[in-house]
Amino acid sequence: GAVVSQHPSRVICKSGTSVKIECRSLDFQATTMFWYRQFPKQSLMLMATSNEGSKATYEQGVEKDKFLINHASLTLSTLTVTSAHPEDSSFYICSARNRVRNTGELFFGEGSRLTVL
Amino acid sequence: GEDVEQSLFLSVREGDSSVINCTYTDSSSTYLYWYKQEPGAGLQLLTYIFSNMDMKQDQRLTVLLNKKDKHLSLRIADTQTGDSAIYFCAETFAGGGGADGLTFGKGTHLIIQP
Repeated sequence: GAVVSQHPSRVICKSGTSVKIECRSLDFQATTMFWYRQFPKQSLMLMATSNEGSKATYEQGVEKDKFLINHASLTLSTLTVTSAHPEDSSFYICSARNRVRNTGELFFGEGSRLTVL
Repeated sequence: GEDVEQSLFLSVREGDSSVINCTYTDSSSTYLYWYKQEPGAGLQLLTYIFSNMDMKQDQRLTVLLNKKDKHLSLRIADTQTGDSAIYFCAETFAGGGGADGLTFGKGTHLIIQP
């Protein structure tokens, strides 16, 4: 089956630093990738939609200058949390849709747990 | 806006059937999904159903859709300890810049009693 890989799976950083999370589709091309954030004991919140070769579309309330998204190729999207603060600590999950076999299925990465000290 | 509601917890005995319910508000939903999330992991797609279907069965999983009542359910037959996880109901919506993002429910924690 289709595999989406996220890296790193866990990251701890100091307040004020920036952290980059990668999302790769390993065996398929994804023109669209989605970034979600999951707070403890809560559901997933869609942050932004990442389209290859164009600017990401952010959901209401998500700061685009804070959460930089780059989708440089059909298999890679990155989320950079800039000037991270403790309130940015969360579980970030990406998903991707197969552009060729568009069955409606989204393939999810394993998630990246960010802890900001 | 779109809203998806689920009960937060469900406790069943091992071997019994589990039924996880979900209600949604967006009548224009095209796909409805069930995802499973094990502790500390990402999401695994269990199954999905097109909005023009009433039922879909896949081994131990049965999905029922009542489009009139906007109610979706997931039945897991012969529940095992490995089924212990959080189950998310999700629907597609036409938003987020036009791409098919998902609206998730808060997830139902399925607890298996021995």
